[in-house]
Amino acid sequence: SYVLTQPPSVSVAPGKTATLTCGGNLIASKNVNWYQKRPGQAPKLVIHYDDDRPSGIPERFSGSNSGNTATLTIARVEAGDEADYYCQVWDNIDHWVFGGGTRLTVL
Amino acid sequence: EVRLLESGGGLVQPGGSLRLSCVASGFTFRTYALSWVRQAPGKGLEWVSTFSGAADKTYDADSVKGRFTISRDNSKNTLYLQMNNLRAEDTAVYYCVKDGIRGSPGSEFFLDWGQGTLVTVSS
Repeated sequence: SYVLTQPPSVSVAPGKTATLTCGGNLIASKNVNWYQKRPGQAPKLVIHYDDDRPSGIPERFSGSNSGNTATLTIARVEAGDEADYYCQVWDNIDHWVFGGGTRLTVL
Repeated sequence: EVRLLESGGGLVQPGGSLRLSCVASGFTFRTYALSWVRQAPGKGLEWVSTFSGAADKTYDADSVKGRFTISRDNSKNTLYLQMNNLRAEDTAVYYCVKDGIRGSPGSEFFLDWGQGTLVTVSS
């Protein structure tokens, strides 16, 4: 089965840039989606199709996908960005796959 | 405004059954893929099942295949998840999710989420 690997945690100071990675075999051949999950809230889609932002998501959120790594970049990080972030792909055997998630801590 | 309202969660003994419902509004129900996603306490997101919109196909995670059945009633704008032979590891908040692309034969991305319903499997 297809596996997505995310670092368990990333820390960043307010105003700096956070880079969250999602590793998978030839992930560049797949569309990657990213979700933000805050405690007690439903998950929220922040990036779809590698680098598209849904309506209402700030331009500070961007995505890229190349080789074996997809990346979610959050510029000018704010305290409100602190959350768990999950990447997601559709594998080749009709399954959705989530990464294990990265906890973003704003220092 | 899209609304997804889950119900049917609760406490059930191992080996028991439960049926979750998700009543939807604010969009053309039959034209979107719908899914169930769960999150166990202290764990990450786990995809459970998807019912496509245009192609009338269903997809299930290996962890629930043969035990859970996803279905939809387009006349009632309702998505269901029949859960049988429940195990302790099925304990989680279950989210009803609407896809982002109308008329797609499959599933593209999870745009709209309900608030979730808690299922606890314990004796």
